Amino acid sequence: DAGVIQSPRHEVTEMGQEVTLRCKPISGHNSLFWYRQTMMRGLELLIYFNNNVPIDDSGMPEDRFSAKMPNASFSTLKIQPSEPRDSAVYFCASSFLPSGSSSYNEQFFGPGTRLTVL
Amino acid sequence: EDQVTQSPEALRLQEGESSSLNCSYTVSGLRGLFWYRQDPGKGPEFLFTLYSAGEEKEKERLKATLTKKESFLHITAPKPEDSATYLCAVVSGNTGKLIFGQGTTLQVKP
Repeated sequence: DAGVIQSPRHEVTEMGQEVTLRCKPISGHNSLFWYRQTMMRGLELLIYFNNNVPIDDSGMPEDRFSAKMPNASFSTLKIQPSEPRDSAVYFCASSFLPSGSSSYNEQFFGPGTRLTVL
Repeated sequence: EDQVTQSPEALRLQEGESSSLNCSYTVSGLRGLFWYRQDPGKGPEFLFTLYSAGEEKEKERLKATLTKKESFLHITAPKPEDSATYLCAVVSGNTGKLIFGQGTTLQVKP
């Protein structure tokens, strides 16, 4: 079975450039999460979607960050313009949340995208 | 303020030497505590979910327990393949937010 798919796996860009990270969740899952991981701050939840609708984006650091989920099988995280402090590993995760259940459940993580902003 | 603290930051064990990892939390109205394992260069992998004090779950050499203020991940007779970073996360009943701890990096030497 294909797990969560992320692309690209590595991205090196220059400050000021636009960066788009992509995620394909596990088929049948209805919740999708974007995380950022750094040595200093650990794993931070940026935003999560339920049934393609953003539920909580309070973890998005700035207006330079935006996320979309146009359909159940695809999501993007965009950074525009990028800055060196955005360098991190970005993870996408998905889960199935039964209707009426609590807000979090077992999550399946993708392999991550390592972003380096020069 | 909701907070999750894991200790120790790093732990080195000999193969077969049992030990425990700690996850202390201060959240209002815990709505769930999760343990994940993360290998270098990979995404976290789900291990356990605990919801109420007194609850315990086991998987192979791992056993997770929960009290009102902390959770322990007990590792019995660890093997080198248990080497990884173990992450704890809690859901705050007050804010509904999912908060991860900084993790404990475990190294098991043969």
